[in-house]
This record gives sequence, C-alpha cells and structure tokens, in this order.
Amino acid sequence: QLQLQESGPGLVKPSETLSLTCTVSGGSISSTAHYWGWVRQPPGKGLEWIGTIYYSGITYYNPSLTSRVTLSVDTSKNQFSLKLNSVTAADTAVYYCARENRRTIFDYWGQGTLATVSS
Amino acid sequence: SSELTQDPAVSVALGQTVRITCQGDSLKTYYASWYQQKPGQAPVLVVYPKNNRPSGIPDRFSDSSSGDTASLTITGAQAEDEADYYCNSRDSSGDHVVFGGGTKLTVL
Repeated sequence: QLQLQESGPGLVKPSETLSLTCTVSGGSISSTAHYWGWVRQPPGKGLEWIGTIYYSGITYYNPSLTSRVTLSVDTSKNQFSLKLNSVTAADTAVYYCARENRRTIFDYWGQGTLATVSS
Repeated sequence: SSELTQDPAVSVALGQTVRITCQGDSLKTYYASWYQQKPGQAPVLVVYPKNNRPSGIPDRFSDSSSGDTASLTITGAQAEDEADYYCNSRDSSGDHVVFGGGTKLTVL
C-alpha cells in the first residue's frame, strides 16, 4: 500500500523559507505513470494546489505562487520536496503531499503537516 | 479565487439523494475528480473521471457532467457521508490544477 509522509518544521518565521519533504513508501517515485504534488489548506479554508513534479524533474506551479515556490525530487531517497520562500502569515496552512494520476487525480495523500508562520 | 465554483453548503435527509455541483469553463474540456474530507483528516478521492471509484468507495457515489458543470451524486446518503466535498480539474490553460471552494454536506 502506497504511503506518503510529510516532514519539516512546524514553525517558520515571516520572510523565511518553508521547507517540507514528502517520503514515499510502498511504491517508487520514479514511476512513469505518476506525478507528485503539493496541496495546502489554510485553517478553516479550502484546498489550494501548490505545484506538481515528475520524477524527471519537470515541474508545474500554481501561477499565484510560482515566484516563491520550488519543487525538487530525489529519486535515490524516494522523496520530493517543497520550498516556499518569503513566507507570511497567509502561508500558514496544513500542507499535504499527494500522488497524482494523469496530473489531476490525487489518489494517495499524506496525513498533512501544519506549518505556522509566526515570529 | 477558484476557477471552479461550488455551493458552500448543501443538506440532505438521511437515505435521500443529493447532488453536489462544480461549475467552471475548463469543465467544458476537462473532467473533474471529487474528494471527501472529514474534520482533521486528509482528503480522500471518492470519484474520478468517467464515474470511476477507488477501491473501498461505496457505489452510492457517482459523477456526471454536462457542459461546464460536473456533479457528484450520493444516492442514499448515510450519516458517515457528512463531510466537505471538493472538486478539482485543470484550469482553462490545461497546465495547472484547480480545486473548487468546497461544499459542506450536512446529513439530516
């Protein structure tokens, strides 16, 4: 059974960089059939797509975040990562990593990790 | 703002049928998928294009689409179906993923 697990600091200071990693187990991140994505959810609000990465390193970003987001993949560790720079309180959210089929079908999700931006 | 529009809240009597809709121009071209999210939990995929369900999802969940509107139908809603439901698809450019704003379903 495929499992995804987010990890990273739960507290980030304003203007700094939020860094999260998603570790995939029970399957290979190098699968040619799948993409890997990040979705976030501010407290009490809806889901927002952040970006998607393919094992080869091809990336797609939410236009509203593209200037601040970088996704990367480490196939040797079966992990992919998110960096969001210049964070503000508006970036406080639960961050989920997920597997994507056909680039829009999120069929496996991590449990999510709360990242709070505060001084 | 989301390019996919959902009603914020919908209610249904126990055992009755409810339809949750998702409207957006990109749905004239791309199919939608649907997710269920209960409080404190990660979203769960319940239906994906052309009325497919992941293993373990009851067959009371189905989807349909017409023009710029996609729908999730729950036939015979159960108490455990009370949750937030989100649609998603691609945006009009086809390059990006978008989610609807979500619909809170209450089972009365």
